[in-house]
Amino acid sequence: GQNIDQPTEMTATEGAIVQINCTYQTSGFNGLFWYQQHAGEAPTFLSYNVLDGLEEKGRFSSFLSRSKGYSYLLLKELQMKDSASYLCAYLDSNYQLIWGAGTKLIIKP
Amino acid sequence: GAVVSQHPSWVICKSGTSVKIECRSLDFQATTMFWYRQFPKQSLMLMATSNEGSKATYEQGVEKDKFLINHASLTLSTLTVTSAHPEDSSFYICSARDAGGPEHEQYFGPGTRLTVT
Repeated sequence: GQNIDQPTEMTATEGAIVQINCTYQTSGFNGLFWYQQHAGEAPTFLSYNVLDGLEEKGRFSSFLSRSKGYSYLLLKELQMKDSASYLCAYLDSNYQLIWGAGTKLIIKP
Repeated sequence: GAVVSQHPSWVICKSGTSVKIECRSLDFQATTMFWYRQFPKQSLMLMATSNEGSKATYEQGVEKDKFLINHASLTLSTLTVTSAHPEDSSFYICSARDAGGPEHEQYFGPGTRLTVT
């Protein structure tokens, strides 16, 4: 089946750190993506994890545990421009993306 | 990098008319393209998978006679919304897979905002 969950909304302070969690359940798995989407725009690629562990890319890091069906996106040194929706999505056995509903991140000064 | 364009970026049409949306891969060949629809405050929903030279594969609940997909070349796929109704108003996004690249990579177009009045 297809089941992927992430929080609907999170709030954080400029300059702080925030972690957005994503859990999934699937019988076929070919990796997990994180995308950033600003209102009215298409998603932009942030990260791809196919093996367990932490991938760091500048202020953004992504973690995957396949055995737990769990991933998180870690954003450091938050900036106002980071206010957006963050979508996690996994690739199923047919290499189709299965999307979470997205987490709206609100950054406050 | 790989670039995907969509045209138009936004369109307003009257109820009952048809509208065509184009998705182009500008600097790579895409044997597979995907069409998504996104309603406000919701995530992307896959409508169909378009394969060059063959019929599209539609997801459950998507009417293939209403959403016509043509993928006639390695760089162009079109989605035609026929007899559009206000409930078809949405953000339509395409993505493309590079024929020579990793299977897990998809490149997204900027989206097309459709408003049916």
